[in-house]
Amino acid sequence: AQSVTQLDSHVSVSEGTPVLLRCNYSSSYSPSLFWYVQHPNKGLQLLLKYTSAATLVKGINGFEAEFKKSETSFHLTKPSAHMSDAAEYFCVVSRNPGFQKLVFGTGTRLLVSP
Amino acid sequence: NAGVTQTPKFQVLKTGQSMTLQCAQDMNHNSMYWYRQDPGMGLRLIYYSASEGTTDKGEVPNGYNVSRLNKREFSLRLESAAPSQTSVYFCASSEAVWGLEAFFGQGTRLTVV
Repeated sequence: AQSVTQLDSHVSVSEGTPVLLRCNYSSSYSPSLFWYVQHPNKGLQLLLKYTSAATLVKGINGFEAEFKKSETSFHLTKPSAHMSDAAEYFCVVSRNPGFQKLVFGTGTRLLVSP
Repeated sequence: NAGVTQTPKFQVLKTGQSMTLQCAQDMNHNSMYWYRQDPGMGLRLIYYSASEGTTDKGEVPNGYNVSRLNKREFSLRLESAAPSQTSVYFCASSEAVWGLEAFFGQGTRLTVV
């Protein structure tokens, strides 16, 4: 079975400072891992994904994440927060290989202050 | 490109009423999903359809039924709505192969009173 734990329900940063959103995963199989973002009253958009290639994954809008098997982590980072980054972020795991059934974390709400 | 289209966007039901949420995708994806989103709980899988003609239960299927009408369309039915089904519902589609992006609709905000 797969599961993800997002370690913070809320993260507050100031504009221009680094962002760190933490995610630990558990998987009986080699996982695929994703980060999705949800802006208020919107659907979900893929930020980036890891599928057993490079462990450092770059996504849209300057976000990146590093897959660390030894720590079972897939933390999301960005060097400098922008006001438009304020949203809810979901870490997601899927079985690899096999049918793609996504398992979501509970989400981290990112607040960005001026 | 429409992507994944859900209807309606908002709905208020009385307890015991029934309704069907519609979802259609135009990306020729094999797999489609229904999730519900509740505060502090992330998205939980209700039902999914790995391919046309098949459906399977997800994590929270009780009180729901689904129909994979064709490759494009996947509907979710509430036969007798309950206040516990107040939630935001998302439809998604993807290829069945691992590692590929899932595309989500804009969501249906359902309130059961």
